[in-house]
Amino acid sequence: QVQLKESGPGLVQPSETLSLTCTVSGFSLTSYSVHWVRQFSGKSLEWMGRMWSDGKKSYNSAFTSRLSISRDTSKSQVFLKVNSLQTEDTGTYYCARNSDYGSNYFDYWGQGVLVTVSS
Amino acid sequence: DIVMTQSPTSMSLSVGDRVTINCKASQSVGSNVDWYQQKTGQYPKVLIYKASNRYTGVPDRFTGSGAGTDFTFTINNMQAEDLAVYYCMQSNSYPFTFGSGTKLEIK
Repeated sequence: QVQLKESGPGLVQPSETLSLTCTVSGFSLTSYSVHWVRQFSGKSLEWMGRMWSDGKKSYNSAFTSRLSISRDTSKSQVFLKVNSLQTEDTGTYYCARNSDYGSNYFDYWGQGVLVTVSS
Repeated sequence: DIVMTQSPTSMSLSVGDRVTINCKASQSVGSNVDWYQQKTGQYPKVLIYKASNRYTGVPDRFTGSGAGTDFTFTINNMQAEDLAVYYCMQSNSYPFTFGSGTKLEIK
């Protein structure tokens, strides 16, 4: 069955880089896009970026050049890197699969990983 | 960026009530609005995609409508298990953007 699982450090120091991994199973990264979405304090959601099935990337410009998404298709993993972390980056980070059928909704999500930015 | 203005912020309801949540986009998004349900401690789950299409397995008491800038999400005959926060999201243009959420509580 389709599964996504985020992994990475739960605590990051301010100004450092956050590195998260989304490991997927039950589908191929060369057939489906994967998005990263984050959530602050259990409420507002923010779309961060997308790794397309062809390897192209789309980013939320709000992150300027702080954000990088990559993948390793042989390991079924998508990676998220966010530079220059601030306390405002504290939140739960999710990866989610884009549906097929030509629509852009997220049909499967990971459980999320809570990231706290604090010294 | 497209702003999704969602209302109301919260609702206090009884089982069996009809629930209506609205989302207004700051510019036209066609029919590219999706609705998600998030229960406490869980990830969001899609209920409605492309404004009015019910996702697989979603009960028919959940419906969506709208196009352009104005969208509505309705729960008919609300059940206790529907207690959650509901979000709209526009997927018409990047960056995808979410509404601020509507929290449903039992009266």
